[in-house]
Amino acid sequence: EVQLEQSGAELKKPGESLKISCKSSEYSFNNYWIGWVRQMPGKGLEWMGIIYPDDSDTRYSPSFQGQVTISADKSISTAYLQWSSLKASDTAMYYCMRHIGYCSSATCSGPFDYWGQGTLVTVSS
Amino acid sequence: QSVLTQPPSASGTPGQRVTISCSGSSSNIGSNTVNWYQQLPGTAPKLLIYSDDQRPSGVPDRFSDSKSGTSASLAISGLQSEDEADYYCAAWDDSLNGHYVFGTGTKVTVL
Repeated sequence: EVQLEQSGAELKKPGESLKISCKSSEYSFNNYWIGWVRQMPGKGLEWMGIIYPDDSDTRYSPSFQGQVTISADKSISTAYLQWSSLKASDTAMYYCMRHIGYCSSATCSGPFDYWGQGTLVTVSS
Repeated sequence: QSVLTQPPSASGTPGQRVTISCSGSSSNIGSNTVNWYQQLPGTAPKLLIYSDDQRPSGVPDRFSDSKSGTSASLAISGLQSEDEADYYCAAWDDSLNGHYVFGTGTKVTVL
């Protein structure tokens, strides 16, 4: 069965860097886009961006462009979300998810069918 | 910032039919299929319905969706206690260089 296993909860201080991971199994990792979603405490879902592991084509939501970096390592079927300098407002649950469908250079179609269990990131001094 | 608008809450008694609306625009719902996700308390979201009323394996046919123009709706018929959750609509948005947008979310309460 397809699985997306995310790294554990993190407690960091403002200004620190962080990289969280999402390890995929039981499917061809290289050939499916992987996306990331933020859910702040008590709030809704916000789409952050996606990456195609085979060629690292990456697309960001304007809200998150320049704030985070999405990457992938094909050799270990793992996608990453990283911050260079965390803020308190980055405190949230972060989910990775697998995209099924098609992406052209301009847009995509199709839903996200499998989700990771989430990584809770807490940023506090 | 969500560009798809949902009512914050909906409720019903067991066995009733509940509908949730999702309002968008010509660049998202108006030109792309709508997906629905269910998030049970304390868990990750789960794909519920996609691509014009398709349901992943295991999702009961009590859940159905429809779309008209720039709006969509999710219907839950025969409401059950285990349906108490947050529900989100979502679609790709062509105006944002192919970005995915979620609705504001609707909390369904089973009375």
